[in-house]
Amino acid sequence: QKEVEQNSGPLSVPEGAIASLNCTYSDRGSQSFFWYRQYSGKSPELIMFIYSNGDKEDGRFTAQLNKASQYVSLLIRDSQPSDSATYLCAVDNQAGTALIFGKGTTLSVSS
Amino acid sequence: GAGVSQSPSNKVTEKGKDVELRCDPISGHTALYWYRQSLGQGLEFLIYFQGNSAPDKSGLPSDRFSAERTGGSVSTLTIQRTQQEDSAVYLCASSLDVGSSDTQYFGPGTRLTVL
Repeated sequence: QKEVEQNSGPLSVPEGAIASLNCTYSDRGSQSFFWYRQYSGKSPELIMFIYSNGDKEDGRFTAQLNKASQYVSLLIRDSQPSDSATYLCAVDNQAGTALIFGKGTTLSVSS
Repeated sequence: GAGVSQSPSNKVTEKGKDVELRCDPISGHTALYWYRQSLGQGLEFLIYFQGNSAPDKSGLPSDRFSAERTGGSVSTLTIQRTQQEDSAVYLCASSLDVGSSDTQYFGPGTRLTVL
């Protein structure tokens, strides 16, 4: 059973702090890794994707991938109250035909 | 261009009735996916289409669920003889092509409630 694990949270950080979200996956054959943000009652929206080991930065967001440890993380710098949402980690299946999602981590940023 | 659209946005039905959910992908996207999200659960993969064919139906939870796609565009997900455990948000996504590097973009979802 291919799995993606995330802490459900809630993760609470003050405004301006760094939020660190973590994800582990079981399928060593996975090649693509995605972070989606989902506001309550809304559909997931893509924040970042990463394919290679190391860091990938986009504005306030940095995705980190370590395939040897089967670990993906998302750092949010200068967190804002508008970042409060559930963050979903998704990993492709080996065939690249579907995404396997974690249950998400709820982030709460207090002003 | 327009994003993925789904209809209806909400559907309330009685146990035992059949329902049809519709998805209109982003124009030019050849791959289309159906997921469902139950309360407190992650997104669960149901089925994907490459063009009009569905090579992977492994995620469909029972034979009451079926899906089709015509003209390489619109897809319908049909649930026959609905049960209360079918209540969930059904999400459709599309991508330019099937493959690990192709990002999936989600529609707003259809919230299905089975009474």
